[in-house]
Amino acid sequence: QVQLVESGGGVVQPGRSLRLSCAASGLAFSSSAMHWVRQAPGKGLEWVAFISYDGSNKAYADSVRGRFSISRDNSKNTLYLQMNSLRAEDTALYYCASPAIPWGQGTLATVSS
Amino acid sequence: ENVLTQSPGTLSLSPGERATLSCRARQSVNNNYLAWFQQKPGQAPRLLIYGASSRATGIPDRFSGSGSGTDFTLTISRLEPEDFAVYYCQQYGTALWTFGQGTKVEIK
Repeated sequence: QVQLVESGGGVVQPGRSLRLSCAASGLAFSSSAMHWVRQAPGKGLEWVAFISYDGSNKAYADSVRGRFSISRDNSKNTLYLQMNSLRAEDTALYYCASPAIPWGQGTLATVSS
Repeated sequence: ENVLTQSPGTLSLSPGERATLSCRARQSVNNNYLAWFQQKPGQAPRLLIYGASSRATGIPDRFSGSGSGTDFTLTISRLEPEDFAVYYCQQYGTALWTFGQGTKVEIK
């Protein structure tokens, strides 16, 4: 069945970087658009970034544009989110997602001094 | 961006009752690419409905989705104890996804 498994979260200081990964299985990853979505503690869902199936098109939420970068490796069925210049307000559970596909459990990124 | 507004914010009902949740989009949702998710405390969002009305794998038939264009509805025909949770709608008709703010279904 379809499975998305996020990893790479942790605790980092403000201004530092973190790289999240998402391993996909059970779907045609190389032909699937992929997204990152986050949820801050006690808050709703916020879309973060999009990448087209071949990586040629990308889009970002205003809150992360210029700091975050989405990428993918279709040979490894893996999606990435490089997060730079992290702020306290970036603290959240980060989920990778594809349209109409069940989500994984997410990975927690905590930005704190 | 296509803002989604969910109503009501909170729905207080008893087990066995019918729940009707609304999601209204500012602009027409492309291809009716509208999904509904259920989220319980400490858990990831669970996909219930996609394409406005198609149930995801393993979702009980008491959950149904309807609507098109800008107005969508999630109906739970008879609430079971495990259905009390927060529900989100999502449009995925554009690359810039948007989510509603959520409706909490609580036990009356």
